[in-house]
Amino acid sequence: DGGITQSPKYLFRKEGQNVTLSCEQNLNHDAMYWYRQDPGQGLRLIYYSQIVNDFQKGDIAEGYSVSREKKESFPLTVTSAQKNPTAFYLCASNLGVSEAFFGQGTRLTVV
Amino acid sequence: AQSVTQPDIHITVSEGASLELRCNYSYGATPYLFWYVQSPGQGLQLLLKYFSGDTLVQGIKGFEAEFKRSQSSFNLRKPSVHWSDAAEYFCAVGAGNNDMRFGAGTRLTVKP
Repeated sequence: DGGITQSPKYLFRKEGQNVTLSCEQNLNHDAMYWYRQDPGQGLRLIYYSQIVNDFQKGDIAEGYSVSREKKESFPLTVTSAQKNPTAFYLCASNLGVSEAFFGQGTRLTVV
Repeated sequence: AQSVTQPDIHITVSEGASLELRCNYSYGATPYLFWYVQSPGQGLQLLLKYFSGDTLVQGIKGFEAEFKRSQSSFNLRKPSVHWSDAAEYFCAVGAGNNDMRFGAGTRLTVKP
């Protein structure tokens, strides 16, 4: 089955620690996205990538980093510079101007 | 960049009643418009989309939406709401450059 897989579903981070969220797609989509979701704020764009080895900052990129070494993979690292990382993170992909397909999300909590 | 406004944060309707969720967008050219639904703790599922052509589009689960260029709106409607429709609904606009923006969402509660 084609789709987007995010892992883990739940992730706990200690203060000052970097953590990496995984996103893999087998839809052969060119573009991939990372969104952050907080209650009442909808989805805010962190980073997006239109092709391999290229990515652009979204509206809230500070404290996050990404890589796009393979078409199928777009991991997101939440660094210690992100002061309020507790949120629900969603990965998506699309092809051209088509609709975005979403993963099931990762809930990150700072402990 | 394009933007989306969903004026209603929370709407409550009775089961069997009609539903309209509002969405206004800002974009200089013809937008690509989408409605998604999200159940708690889950990803987003596409309900319907508008790219061009007929301004009234039909989607899954009995939903429809109408694109009105003059009002910069893309409101979502359903004639009769079911309890299983309770969820959060997001409107989104794409600009054709792989930059898709979402509204803040509208949470729908369905009363028995």
